[in-house]
Amino acid sequence: QQPVQSPQAVILREGEDAVINCSSSKALYSVHWYRQKHGEAPVFLMILLKGGEQKGHEKISASFNEKKQQSSLYLTASQLSYSGTYFCGTEGKGGSEKLVFGKGTKLTVNP
Amino acid sequence: DSGVTQTPKHLITATGQRVTLRCSPRSGDLSVYWYQQSLDQGLQFLIQYYNGEERAKGNILERFSAQQFPDLHSELNLSSLELGDSALYFCASSVRTSTDTQYFGPGTRLTVL
Repeated sequence: QQPVQSPQAVILREGEDAVINCSSSKALYSVHWYRQKHGEAPVFLMILLKGGEQKGHEKISASFNEKKQQSSLYLTASQLSYSGTYFCGTEGKGGSEKLVFGKGTKLTVNP
Repeated sequence: DSGVTQTPKHLITATGQRVTLRCSPRSGDLSVYWYQQSLDQGLQFLIQYYNGEERAKGNILERFSAQQFPDLHSELNLSSLELGDSALYFCASSVRTSTDTQYFGPGTRLTVL
């Protein structure tokens, strides 16, 4: 079942913060986050495996609440290079190794 | 550059035809994944191979098939093509399992006329 991402789109000014959410109706084993720029391939950001775990990547971090079947991606002090579409991919409990991606959140960072 | 290569970059063909997309994973990666990305469906997982064996299957149509060869490169075969098969097809590779980082190739853009 496809996870639901929110918001669908967000527009920021450079330096502002954003949160992107990913919710699943099924129990999750892992959550993956990717960023895709227009006309390019998705690029890996991070994988979260445990409930409540938080991971960081430069000024981008994420949390995974296993009980709520939710993950959030936090972008702090956004830069122009953060613009793109962010996808979460979820893997069901038991590690089925089948990633199901959300429809994506389009992030635009303006100067 | 992710280290994953895909050929061809673009493919234009007619309905009813058959095409083969090729993927070479990063050196050392044993798993290969195929994804389809279209405007209305988003990024859809098709199939995963691990060291030559099929590991996981997604929403792959019966008209599509894939294999991974002993040198670990993979091919995705699409047959009896329909207009709706027009999409970007990505290959990704990882060291072992899906909990490892997946590195995406540049994609093959398939247009079915």
